[in-house]
Amino acid sequence: GAVVSQHPSWVICKSGTSVKIECRSLDFQATTMFWYRQFPKQSLMLMATSNEGSKATYEQGVEKDKFLINHASLTLSTLTVTSAHPEDSSFYICSARGGISGRTGGYEQYFGPGTRLTVT
Amino acid sequence: LAKTTQPISMDSYEGQEVNITCSHNNIATNDYITWYQQFPSQGPRFIIQGYKTKVTNEVASLFIPADRKSSTLSLPRVSLSDTAVYYCLVGDEDSGNTPLVFGKGTRLSVIA
Repeated sequence: GAVVSQHPSWVICKSGTSVKIECRSLDFQATTMFWYRQFPKQSLMLMATSNEGSKATYEQGVEKDKFLINHASLTLSTLTVTSAHPEDSSFYICSARGGISGRTGGYEQYFGPGTRLTVT
Repeated sequence: LAKTTQPISMDSYEGQEVNITCSHNNIATNDYITWYQQFPSQGPRFIIQGYKTKVTNEVASLFIPADRKSSTLSLPRVSLSDTAVYYCLVGDEDSGNTPLVFGKGTRLSVIA
């Protein structure tokens, strides 16, 4: 099946610094990628929709100036957490929609392995 | 996007069949039903997807009644490694730009 990778898998940074997380679709092109955040024992929360070549669409309550998203190519989207604070510590997961599945007729969405961000 | 309702948690012994039911009363005509599995500190993993009736693959079966207002994920003979959170999602799979919105999921604990 299709593979989505994320880098780094975990990162620790100091409060006030910025951190960039990469999301790549390894064997397919993705015009749209999605970014989620997950706190311990909670479900995934959609942060934004990343569109190749255009501005990202952010969910209500997500600060676009704090979480910068760049979708520069059909296989790469980046999420930059600017001026990170301890409350930004979370598990960040990206996903990408592949083509129509021959098995089901619907689109399959593929998720990356996630990036654990800890802000000290 | 249709909302989904699942049990918060379930327990099962190894070797038993586990059925997790999801309600999606407001499902739309174009919506598919997809189930994902998530282990701690990992991204969700696709299990199965269906539109109507029954779908079976190598790991699970998905039962969807005619009115499509609910669906049941069936895991045959679970093992300890099936302990995870299972999410039922409903969305318009005809649109490649529509994100999947996650509900709370069902935390399955398999006991030896």
